[in-house]
Amino acid sequence: EIVLTQSPDFQSVTPKEKVTITCRASQSIANSLHWYQQKPDQSPKLLIKYASQSISGVPSRFSGSGSGTDFTLTINSLETEDAATYYCHQSSSLPYTFGQGTKLEIK
Amino acid sequence: QVQLVQSGAEVKKPGASVKVSCKASGYIFTSHYMHWVRQAPGQGLEWMGIINPIDGTTSYTQKFQGRVTMTRDTSTSTVYMALSSLRSEDTAVYYCARDSWLDTWGQGTLVTVSS
Repeated sequence: EIVLTQSPDFQSVTPKEKVTITCRASQSIANSLHWYQQKPDQSPKLLIKYASQSISGVPSRFSGSGSGTDFTLTINSLETEDAATYYCHQSSSLPYTFGQGTKLEIK
Repeated sequence: QVQLVQSGAEVKKPGASVKVSCKASGYIFTSHYMHWVRQAPGQGLEWMGIINPIDGTTSYTQKFQGRVTMTRDTSTSTVYMALSSLRSEDTAVYYCARDSWLDTWGQGTLVTVSS
């Protein structure tokens, strides 16, 4: 089973700041890595698929990069509505797995 | 638009079984795999398994082998997730989600296991 490790677990940031969340896989997963945002009492929402592909309707301040074992989700010019927990997820091999999540608090 | 609508909340006693449904609309049901993901209270997301809606073949994560069964009904574009021998640790919100990149999610179904 592929283990995904996110860092940090928690981050407190101010609006307009740039945020970087990383996800490291225990073995190479090529670009089969996807990012989600989950707000309290809501279903997760897809932000980025296949490491760097943007999703229609998702603000352009969200971007992704990486391949192999190291991946990054970047949020440029953070907005208050971005307060949420962010998860990475791999679909390279079964069983699919998720990172443990990164909780973003807006100061 | 693509939509996944799940069945309502359930309360079960330890040792019982539960079956959650997920009805798909807005796309060709047999063209997209379906996944089940669960989230215990205050915890992260946990992938449970996948079903191919064309032929019903499944793959489950080892943790749930022997206790989970995923099925589908192509006539109603519905997938089901049944979990047996429930214990308190199975208390969670259960989600269905479409495709490998989980582009669309159901609203979630809370399953509470309590004596």
